[in-house]
Amino acid sequence: EVQLVQSGAEVKKPGESLKISCKGSGYSFTSYWIGWVRQMPGKGLEWMGIIYPGDSDTRYSPSFQGQVTISADKSISTAYLQWSSLKASDTAMYYCARLDGRIDYWGQGTLVTVSS
Amino acid sequence: DIQMTQSPSSLSASVGDRVTITCQASQDISNYLNWYQQKPGKAPKLLIYDASNLETGVPSRFSGSGSGTDFTFTISSLQPEDIATYYCQQYDNLPPLYTFGQGTKLEIK
Repeated sequence: EVQLVQSGAEVKKPGESLKISCKGSGYSFTSYWIGWVRQMPGKGLEWMGIIYPGDSDTRYSPSFQGQVTISADKSISTAYLQWSSLKASDTAMYYCARLDGRIDYWGQGTLVTVSS
Repeated sequence: DIQMTQSPSSLSASVGDRVTITCQASQDISNYLNWYQQKPGKAPKLLIYDASNLETGVPSRFSGSGSGTDFTFTISSLQPEDIATYYCQQYDNLPPLYTFGQGTKLEIK
């Protein structure tokens, strides 16, 4: 069974760093792109970027370039999304997803709350 | 970048009604268009892929059509459990690029 399991909810202060994770199982992790999607409270889905764990080829949506870093460790089938300095506007639910043209599997989401 | 214009942004309909949502791409995307359903507090769920293909296990009252720049998503007979927000999403494979529509919030009248 294909699964993407994300790390738990986080509460952080502005300026702090954060790295959240997405662990894949039940399929060849290195053979599919993984994407990250942001959903701010009460808002729609926003595409952040994607990574191909097989060779770590990474692409960012223009809106998120320079704001986050996407990485992966294929030895443990895990993708990451990280911030070096969080802002209150980073408060959102973040989803990872497996890409096969369509998005056929999603993680359960990681809620990130940034508040002083 | 390709822009996706989804309409309407919200929709109220009665149980049993036929519901239609449209999505327009800013340029030709062939049939690289998917539709998702998102219920509150849940991750999105794939319903339709490549414009008109029903994902396994999805009820047949859901359907999609279109190609090029204009796409339509239809629920043939609205059920109470269909209350959700629906998103279109386009993709390119080379390089892989993805864009979501703005979403349509569907409510029961």
